[in-house]
Amino acid sequence: AQSVTQPDIHITVSEGASLELRCNYSYGATPYLFWYVQSPGQGLQLLLKYFSGDTLVQGIKGFEAEFKRSQSSFNLRKPSVHWSDAAEYFCAVRVYGGSQGNLIFGKGTKLSVKP
Amino acid sequence: DGGITQSPKYLFRKEGQNVTLSCEQNLNHDAMYWYRQDPGQGLRLIYYSQIVNDFQKGDIAEGYSVSREKKESFPLTVTSAQKNPTAFYLCASSIGPGQLFSGANVLTFGAGSRLTVL
Repeated sequence: AQSVTQPDIHITVSEGASLELRCNYSYGATPYLFWYVQSPGQGLQLLLKYFSGDTLVQGIKGFEAEFKRSQSSFNLRKPSVHWSDAAEYFCAVRVYGGSQGNLIFGKGTKLSVKP
Repeated sequence: DGGITQSPKYLFRKEGQNVTLSCEQNLNHDAMYWYRQDPGQGLRLIYYSQIVNDFQKGDIAEGYSVSREKKESFPLTVTSAQKNPTAFYLCASSIGPGQLFSGANVLTFGAGSRLTVL
């Protein structure tokens, strides 16, 4: 069965430091890949998505992610973290033939930012 | 501004009661979805609807019911049969039902409703 793994439950970084959140998926072909961000008590906001083409995708708020087929990974990065980036981040995949819009979500990585 | 409105934001229920969570969108999206979120568990799909008067069960539909009488509305009822209903519920929508059109795969989420069973 398809699955998404976010190995880090909680990460703390200093403001201004770089960030990388890991995401690995299990699927035999290339899926559609997404990163969403959720502030406490709020809904999810799309940061970026990958469907095809250039494996490095740019998103909102200065985030980027790189798809690596050989590693089945889609890691999220940001060069310099701001205090407002503190939130929970979810990686999600949708596989070909899956029910419309049915995304498989990872369990999330909570990001804390130290001043 | 277009978006998804979920209400109420907080809801308390006694055991044995049914409750209905509202979800309204003005994005002119065809598809709508309900997800359940538990701490440390990610999101799990309850029900989805690709078109008015039609809906399908997701991964955890037991104890829930939905209706889709209007394109804009997709209410979720949490019935007394749901054994552990305390959770955060998220409604989402997308264009579609497309096939491989990329836009159809992007979900827009509401702000969520937190249900607590007393």
